[in-house]
Amino acid sequence: GQQLNQSPQSMFIQEGEDVSMNCTSSSIFNTWLWYKQDPGEGPVLLIALYKAGELTSNGRLTAQFGITRKDSFLNISASIPSDVGIYFCAGPLETGNQFYFGTGTSLTVIP
Amino acid sequence: DTEVTQTPKHLVMGMTNKKSLKCEQHMGHRAMYWYKQKAKKPPELMFVYSYEKLSINESVPSRFSPECPNSSLLNLHLHALQPEDSALYLCASSQIQRTGEALKNIQYFGAGTRLSVL
Repeated sequence: GQQLNQSPQSMFIQEGEDVSMNCTSSSIFNTWLWYKQDPGEGPVLLIALYKAGELTSNGRLTAQFGITRKDSFLNISASIPSDVGIYFCAGPLETGNQFYFGTGTSLTVIP
Repeated sequence: DTEVTQTPKHLVMGMTNKKSLKCEQHMGHRAMYWYKQKAKKPPELMFVYSYEKLSINESVPSRFSPECPNSSLLNLHLHALQPEDSALYLCASSQIQRTGEALKNIQYFGAGTRLSVL
């Protein structure tokens, strides 16, 4: 299957710091999705990106769809304790309904 | 409304039991999915239904049996499970939409069923 490489694997930051994580693939995606997952819950969609080069914000979150459509990054500004969780990138290939997931970035915010 | 509803939230079953997981969405999505997820790992695809027909089966053991009664409902029937099948089971749905030049394909997840097999 397709491999999405997500980095870093884990992050430990102080409350108030900014966070940046990214996701790369060897294949072209038509949509990039960023999810946050709390323990024992389903992934919750944070941001969806559709166009190469597109920069999209959702509150303190900013994400960008790479020009080559093979990568994306997610930034979180001024982190707060409730940002704790695992962040996954995901996307479908240009055709079809199968979605591929990154390996996840575990974020810990220290108050 | 972007809600995918899964029941039950938690399930404990013995290895000889038969149980079912249920999933429902009313977004008009024509693709529905079952995933299995272990702690701190990404979801692993099990099955995909497209227009109520099974389109992908990722070599899942026959003790897991999916069913799509209609375009809004997806079930996962469980029988003779093993302890290693204990995991979070996630249902999701998606729909491809073309808006101008953009192709939008977003997948929404339910809250999951935490399954423990004893």
